[in-house]
Amino acid sequence: GQNIDQPTEMTATEGAIVQINCTYQTSGFNGLFWYQQHAGEAPTFLSYNVLDGLEEKGRFSSFLSRSKGYSYLLLKELQMKDSASYLCAAMDSNYQLIWGAGTKLIIKP
Amino acid sequence: IAGITQAPTSQILAAGRRMTLRCTQDMRHNAMYWYRQDLGLGLRLIHYSNTAGTTGKGEVPDGYSVSRANTDDFPLTLASAVPSQTSVYFCASSDSRHSGANVLTFGAGSRLTVL
Repeated sequence: GQNIDQPTEMTATEGAIVQINCTYQTSGFNGLFWYQQHAGEAPTFLSYNVLDGLEEKGRFSSFLSRSKGYSYLLLKELQMKDSASYLCAAMDSNYQLIWGAGTKLIIKP
Repeated sequence: IAGITQAPTSQILAAGRRMTLRCTQDMRHNAMYWYRQDLGLGLRLIHYSNTAGTTGKGEVPDGYSVSRANTDDFPLTLASAVPSQTSVYFCASSDSRHSGANVLTFGAGSRLTVL
């Protein structure tokens, strides 16, 4: 079956770095997405990876290893506003998105 | 401001009642989607539409129906609501469903409670 695994919750300190991992199993692969969702709000797009390697976008970076079925989202210089849930989603060969349950990131001062 | 508008924001509904959640986008996106989000679970696709005039079933379509009469509107109807349909419902849209870099834009969500 198709599956996405990511940690339920993580805690980090303001100003620090945190890495949120995601492993996936899909029938075929057309890319890996990360979305950010603040409590009570809609998910918003953060990143898309389809080739192996690291994509950097400001304080956020996303990494993909297709051979390992693995991705991570790296957040640097954490700010209180980064407290949110981070959703990992993989697209299968039918362009269907398989979503993880999300990782709730708690930032402490 | 371009985006997706959902209504109502929240609703409490008696079991057995009919309910329509409205969704309108102004980005001229071809594809539209309805998801439900429940605690501890990933977003689950209910129905989708690749383009105006077409619809398809997602992962959890039972008890729900949709229509896509034009590009902008994609209402979701619960014919006879049941308590298990208590959830937060998100409407989303994208340029094309059949594209790898298929970035979704989401509405603010509709919180539905069925008693």
